[in-house]
Amino acid sequence: AQKITQTQPGMFVQEKEAVTLDCTYDTSDPSYGLFWYKQPSSGEMIFLIYQGSYDQQNATEGRYSLNFQKARKSANLVISASQLGDSAMYFCAMRERYNQGGKLIFGQGTELSVKP
Amino acid sequence: DAGVTQSPTHLIKTRGQQVTLRCSPKSGHDTVSWYQQALGQGPQFIFQYYEEEERQRGNFPDRFSGHQFPNYSSELNVNALLLGDSALYLCASSLLPGNDNEQFFGPGTRLTVL
Repeated sequence: AQKITQTQPGMFVQEKEAVTLDCTYDTSDPSYGLFWYKQPSSGEMIFLIYQGSYDQQNATEGRYSLNFQKARKSANLVISASQLGDSAMYFCAMRERYNQGGKLIFGQGTELSVKP
Repeated sequence: DAGVTQSPTHLIKTRGQQVTLRCSPKSGHDTVSWYQQALGQGPQFIFQYYEEEERQRGNFPDRFSGHQFPNYSSELNVNALLLGDSALYLCASSLLPGNDNEQFFGPGTRLTVL
């Protein structure tokens, strides 16, 4: 079974508008972390934001925020005020407690295109 | 402060050959993980090295092997290359033990098997 599901293969957004990228996850581990990475065409995975399963508040990092709905097992990424440089692949990933410091499980990714 | 570096950037091999990819972790990091990313897919975990030993392994055959050196740098070796091994190979470093820190990724090595 897929542990991380990203249902949007591609998304378009107008420059300066906000966009939400969806991510749902599946785990029976009560302790886990959720990550979002950006991958430009150059290939490097750039860390954006992290949410721990026990964090009470949604994580925010500048223009990025994570809409964490634990009961629904969703961890959507919200990018506010989109910029042309935001065009890239975006990956949601999870690390389960027993993998502390260990492997990340990635989704299939969403390709975001920002239109001028 | 240098981030994660990988070499070479690109590589072309033929089926049956062997390849070695190299990774230097971010300064201060002692753990290296390797991922394979096929075209259009998310990265898949290959294995992780800590204290010069393989700590975790993903669902990859024994043709994939690795090594970590005392300076924490690492190598990924793939024997008997198959066409399906064509992918972007990403190295990530982190600090263990510790909190649920993120892994810092390198720029990757793009391997093409002909």
